[in-house]
Amino acid sequence: KNQVEQSPQSLIILEGKNCTLQCNYTVSPFSNLRWYKQDTGRGPVSLTIMTFSENTKSNGRYTATLDADTKQSSLHITASQLSDSASYICVVSAGNAGNMLTFGGGTRLMVKP
Amino acid sequence: DAGVIQSPRHEVTEMGQEVTLRCKPISGHNSLFWYRQTMMRGLELLIYFNNNVPIDDSGMPEDRFSAKMPNASFSTLKIQPSEPRDSAVYFCASSPEGGSAFFGQGTRLTVV
Repeated sequence: KNQVEQSPQSLIILEGKNCTLQCNYTVSPFSNLRWYKQDTGRGPVSLTIMTFSENTKSNGRYTATLDADTKQSSLHITASQLSDSASYICVVSAGNAGNMLTFGGGTRLMVKP
Repeated sequence: DAGVIQSPRHEVTEMGQEVTLRCKPISGHNSLFWYRQTMMRGLELLIYFNNNVPIDDSGMPEDRFSAKMPNASFSTLKIQPSEPRDSAVYFCASSPEGGSAFFGQGTRLTVV
């Protein structure tokens, strides 16, 4: 069964600090992995997408890494801002017909001043 | 493009009533997904369409739920009859072949 697990479930950090969110997956066959940011009351918005051959990808202060051998990914947020407070969802796409997506449970990040 | 458009944004209905949620995907996207999000279960895939054809509806919780995509620019998710446990946020998303899914703003459904 395809699964995506994220940790921690929730995290509180002070503004300006860095943090790293983890994602472990068992999705086969693997196609790509995406990190989404979901603000309260809004739909998820894509931050990064990585394929099998990509190890790291950055989007501003967000840097995602992928280790396809261990089936792990991380999302590192640098110099956090209050606006980073949101849920971060790891989504893995299976390489079969129809773009099947498996969602992690998300990490709820709160950045405090 | 205005993105994925869902309506209504909020819906409050009484138990037993029929509820219809609507979605307009991004033009040119060939896949459309319906998701349900709750605090307890997170995001769950209900059904997805590829080129207007339902590919996998195994996530639809029961026969009270049905979804249609009569053309490439419109889809509906219907719940009949609705129950309080159906209360959740329902998201529609669309994606091009092999691309990232773009989500709508969601419909917050409350069944009382």
